[in-house]
Amino acid sequence: ETGVTQTPRHLVMGMTNKKSLKCEQHLGHNAMYWYKQSAKKPLELMFVYNFKEQTENNSVPSRFSPECPNSSHLFLHLHTLQPEDSALYLCASSQSSSGANVLTFGAGSRLTVL
Amino acid sequence: RKEVEQDPGPFNVPEGATVAFNCTYSNSASQSFFWYRQDCRKEPKLLMSVYSSGNEDGRFTAQLNRASQYISLLIRDSKLSDSATYLCVVTLYGNKLVFGAGTILRVKS
Repeated sequence: ETGVTQTPRHLVMGMTNKKSLKCEQHLGHNAMYWYKQSAKKPLELMFVYNFKEQTENNSVPSRFSPECPNSSHLFLHLHTLQPEDSALYLCASSQSSSGANVLTFGAGSRLTVL
Repeated sequence: RKEVEQDPGPFNVPEGATVAFNCTYSNSASQSFFWYRQDCRKEPKLLMSVYSSGNEDGRFTAQLNRASQYISLLIRDSKLSDSATYLCVVTLYGNKLVFGAGTILRVKS
């Protein structure tokens, strides 16, 4: 266990469904992140939250909607997704959002959009 | 030019071999550098940070060459358990962390 827990681990959804990914960290970190990892591509940063405030939205389509109710929890709400959104979605946390900080990742949520 | 570039491999090496990977980055103002390791169908985990003077952790040695804008990872006496994808991570503008696509290492007996 890395201290960052993601649920569900696997999710299959249709293009008209609405679902949410959940991330919880028990490390006392102040920054949380969503990354997307597609096959043979680099990890793509989606969102950054620092002390519950969103500090970065990396031009992510509005069908992905993040929510950070507190420093320990992060959600990614999904609606009307496309098949190309199928990927591994990784949550990470760090002490702060400064680049010199090390990221601790959760095990990921593998999403398949039919 | 990609912000962070790695040879995707795979590097197929026998147990006990020494193997080295390079990673080039485009922004000369980059400040922080890391190597992460990602096992098949698992999350990335920090392997080691890369310091300006170079650093070593057991069988692993990381080097930074600012003049040529690359970092390297050397693995000595490769073990089967070293088989993984090695991700280069660089901070670019505004402390933004950027990941390379990774280099696949396969160590065979």
